[in-house]
Order: sequence, then structure tokens, then C-alpha cells
Amino acid sequence: DTGVSQDPRHKITKRGQNVTFRCDPISEHNRLYWYRQTLGQGPEFLTYFQNEAQLEKSRLLSDRFSAERPKGSFSTLEIQRTEQGDSAMYLCASSRWGGEAKNIQYFGAGTRLSVL
Amino acid sequence: TQLLEQSPQFLSIQEGENLTVYCNSSSVFSSLQWYRQEPGEGPVLLVTVVTGGEVKKLKRLTFQFGDARKDSSLHITAAQPGDTGLYLCAGEETGGFKTIFGAGTRLFVKA
Repeated sequence: DTGVSQDPRHKITKRGQNVTFRCDPISEHNRLYWYRQTLGQGPEFLTYFQNEAQLEKSRLLSDRFSAERPKGSFSTLEIQRTEQGDSAMYLCASSRWGGEAKNIQYFGAGTRLSVL
Repeated sequence: TQLLEQSPQFLSIQEGENLTVYCNSSSVFSSLQWYRQEPGEGPVLLVTVVTGGEVKKLKRLTFQFGDARKDSSLHITAAQPGDTGLYLCAGEETGGFKTIFGAGTRLFVKA
């Protein structure tokens, strides 16, 4: 079990550019979550998948944001036409849900996005 | 929407002191997790509590889940500089749909 892996760890981009982040969850975890965290705050929920289905999206997820989990394994989060307000840490977490599982979320190290 | 309030928001103490961090909600959670996060890293799970009144110990850390499963506390005995970090509580909504995070308590332990 290698844990949740996120790539890249850091991304610096210019306003207006598109960026894509990748998350590889713990194998056999059927749920995958994306969060955004700004300095001094707790993680804010963006969206989550159960297998390949995207089941919920927060109002924080504007039309410029899109997430996919095409095969129910890794996921990507794309931000189009980035704005300075998008600068934050983007965290991915995964969990095993169903049956006896307690749905405990395990986090990756995050991708820190800086929009100049 | 369920909310989790953590207090205090910031705590600066001397090495060797004891402290307690609180996590409160008006809603019931099916379980509650405590995480510790260091700058530039993701949250790392410390403990999960599930049963009302449950107490769990992890070395110098003691976690308690309220009887009504609406609140929780984290007590650290004889804090050390290595305990410095952001402590986050997270409650799982009943039904297992979503996890709600508190804003965190930032702890700084001075040597």
C-alpha cells in the first residue's frame, strides 16, 4: 500500500492558463475526494467519486473546474482559465466505503497551486 | 449543512505543558476523525472515534468522543516541539456521504 499520491506537488502558472492535477488513490479504495485548502483554513470539499461516478459537486466548483475518474482508479482535476483566487493547496483523499468499512479518508500530500 | 467548530484557533505553549483542543457541532456524526497537518503536507490521520463516550489514547494524546456524538476533544500531555502543527477534526455525516472539516487548531510548542 503506497498511500495516496498526487502530482505535481507544486504548480506555478500564469493567470488564464489551464492546469491539470492527478491523484492516484490507495488501491481498492472506491471513493476519491478532492478538497481545496487555503492558508489557515481546513480543507473545503470540492467533489467526490464513487468508483467512476462523480456523485457530488460543491458550489465551490465553478464551471472552470472539472474532475474525472474515468476508470475508477486515478482522478484528474482540471482548472481552466486560472485566476489568482484559485491559488491554494488542492488535496486528494481516498476511502473504502461500504460493508464494514468506516469510510476513513486518507490524504495525499497535496498540490500547491500558485497563480501569478 | 453540518458545521464543525474548533477551538482555540491558535495555541502557543511551552514544552511540557498540557493542552486541550475542542471540536463542537450541533449535529450528530456517525464518526469523527482527528488529523495532524504540517506545512506543505496533507493531513495525516491520528485517530477515528465511532462510539459515543469513546476514549482513545495514542501515546501522549487522548481523544474523546462526546456521548451524543456531537463533539470531541483532543488532550495532549507534556507537549513537545514535535507536536507543532495544525490539528483538524472531521466529522462523517450520518449516511456516510460527506466528511465535514473544522478550520483547525494551529499549535505551536516552544522548546
